[in-house]
Amino acid sequence: AQRVTQPEKLLSVFKGAPVELKCNYSYSGSPELFWYVQYSRQRLQLLLRHISRESIKGFTADLNKGETSFHLKKPFAQEEDSAMYYCALRHVQGGSEKLVFGKGTKLTVNP
Amino acid sequence: DAGITQSPRHKVTETGTPVTLRCHQTENHRYMYWYRQDPGHGLRLIHYSYGVKDTDKGEVSDGYSVSRSKTEDFLLTLESATSSQTSVYFCAIRGDIGGYEQYFGPGTRLTVT
Repeated sequence: AQRVTQPEKLLSVFKGAPVELKCNYSYSGSPELFWYVQYSRQRLQLLLRHISRESIKGFTADLNKGETSFHLKKPFAQEEDSAMYYCALRHVQGGSEKLVFGKGTKLTVNP
Repeated sequence: DAGITQSPRHKVTETGTPVTLRCHQTENHRYMYWYRQDPGHGLRLIHYSYGVKDTDKGEVSDGYSVSRSKTEDFLLTLESATSSQTSVYFCAIRGDIGGYEQYFGPGTRLTVT
C-alpha cells in the first residue's frame, strides 16, 4: 500500500544550523514525490518536486530509492523557514491519481 | 497563486445543519480535490474529480458528498454536520500537462458546534 511517513512531528533548530526533514515512502510503482510548505495560516505551496531536481529557497531533496526516502535539506536555516512541511507521493491507480500526504513536520527556526 | 478561491473562508454552524463549501478555479484544470487538514493527521483526501460529473471517493469520504457540474466549480457538502467535521478544508487543482503537482486554495475553516 502507498504510504508516506514523516517521523518527526516537531523539529527545532537554531538560525544558521543545517536542517533535515525526513520523509520515507512505501510504493510499489515508480515514485513521484513532492515537498509542500505551509506558512502560518496560509495555503499549501509547492516547494519541490523530485523530477525537476531544483533548489527552492535553498532547500534540496534527493530521491533515494534504495532507502525509499526523500529527505528535505537546507544547509543554513533561516527564521522565515519556520513552517509546516508536508511530503507527498503521487499515487496512480486505474484512471485516477491522487497525492498521499505525510502527517507533516512543524519546523521552528529559533533566533 | 493559481486562480483558486474558496468560499466561505470561515463558517460556524450547528450540529445537524447542512453545509456546502465552494471551490472555484479560473485555470480550466481538469482535476480538483477536497482535503481536510487536522492536527496530527496532516491532509486527508475527501473526494476528488477528474472532470465534469466525474468524481470519486478519497480516504475520508463518509459524511461528505461532492458535485461538479462545471469545470470551474467543485462543491463539497456536509449533509448533516457533526462536531468531528470541524476542520480546515482545502481545495486543490491539477492540470493535464506539465508536472503532477497540485495547487491549493486558501482554505475554509469550519467549526461545527
